[in-house]
Amino acid sequence: GENVEQHPSTLSVQEGDSAVIKCTYSDSASNYFPWYKQELGKGPQLIIDIRSNVGEKKDQRIAVTLNKTAKHFSLHITETQPEDSAVYFCAANLNEKLTFGTGTRLTIIP
Amino acid sequence: SAVISQKPSRDICQRGTSLTIQCQVDSQVTMMFWYRQQPGQSLTLIATANQGSEATYESGFVIDKFPISRPNLTFSTLTVSNMSPEDSSIYLCSAAGPVHHTGELFFGEGSRLTVL
Repeated sequence: GENVEQHPSTLSVQEGDSAVIKCTYSDSASNYFPWYKQELGKGPQLIIDIRSNVGEKKDQRIAVTLNKTAKHFSLHITETQPEDSAVYFCAANLNEKLTFGTGTRLTIIP
Repeated sequence: SAVISQKPSRDICQRGTSLTIQCQVDSQVTMMFWYRQQPGQSLTLIATANQGSEATYESGFVIDKFPISRPNLTFSTLTVSNMSPEDSSIYLCSAAGPVHHTGELFFGEGSRLTVL
């Protein structure tokens, strides 16, 4: 099966700075890589995703990059705001099943 | 995107009892899944809820402990049977987008179970 590793487990950044979260996956057949944001007491919310035929995707302040050769993908959040504070999960889709990373608790310091 | 409603949102249960969680999607979806999220942990897939047939369970999860139903394309239930404190978790229902094989997965708000 697929195995997804995520780093760092916790991340604190000053408001306005950028945050980067990195994930690696094990199975080269994985073809879809979503990122989820989970706020306290809520379910995970899909914030951005990327498919294996694309190297980068951007949506306003968030972007995701994918390196298929190295089997890693990253989430970039620029101009961070207090409302970005949450737990972020990466995931990889293999055979219609998502395997999740272990999560990153992002704290934005005002 | 699909809107997913789960109930109960939370419950406190006694050891040895069973609880059924309901999941309703606002549109017909091809695939529905149940995940478990233990406190402070990541999401682990329990099973794929198959419409009109038995669910497909992941390694470490069995039908006797987590029976699942999916009578139609918008509704599913998960029962946590003979509960123990180790079953205290958030149980999340999820559904694939309306377009088959997109991979996009949407989640409900979860059902937080505490077993005493």
